[in-house]
Amino acid sequence: EAGVVQSPRYKIIEKKQPVAFWCNPISGHNTLYWYLQNLGQGPELLIRYENEEAVDDSQLPKDRFSAERLKGVDSTLKIQPAELGDSAVYLCASSLGAGVGMGTDTQYFGPGTRLTVL
Amino acid sequence: SQQGEEDPQALSIQEGENATMNCSYKTSINNLQWYRQNSGRGLVHLILIRSNEREKHSGRLRVTLDTSKKSSSLLITASRAADTASYFCATVFTGGFKTIFGAGTRLFVKA
Repeated sequence: EAGVVQSPRYKIIEKKQPVAFWCNPISGHNTLYWYLQNLGQGPELLIRYENEEAVDDSQLPKDRFSAERLKGVDSTLKIQPAELGDSAVYLCASSLGAGVGMGTDTQYFGPGTRLTVL
Repeated sequence: SQQGEEDPQALSIQEGENATMNCSYKTSINNLQWYRQNSGRGLVHLILIRSNEREKHSGRLRVTLDTSKKSSSLLITASRAADTASYFCATVFTGGFKTIFGAGTRLFVKA
């Protein structure tokens, strides 16, 4: 079974440029997560989808970040315009979704996209 | 912050030794999970312990949970060089839906 796929793996851009990340979750997983991970830190949730609905986007900086999950499968995360402080690893994860409310859902992570903003 | 805190931040041991990592949190939880992250990779789920469990085993892993102290520990026995990674505890707080990850413990196992 294929795992969570993310692309690109690395991205280097100039500040103020736009950037987009793509995620393909594990087939059959209803819940999709985007996390930001700074160096030496744990992942921080940006947005969580249940199928195509964003059910938790409280940590997403909506002035410059946007996300979508069309048809409840693939998802894209966009930053426009990027700032120096956005340099980080952006992780996508997916889970079945049955146990989200009790914290029993196992999340499966992709390898991440390492963004460098110059 | 509701984030769990791991202790120590970094740990270096010899192959064959045991490694113990601790996680503390601030409010009551539903469950606690441990994840491993190898350098440059995504996180991999290791084990889940429910709030009504005190100890759980999986292979060379042993996890304990003390809800009265709001803490958990992860013990890796007979460590191997391949265990070199960062280890994160993750919690979902009672009444919440968001998984909160700690800052992690960086384990280095020397061959």
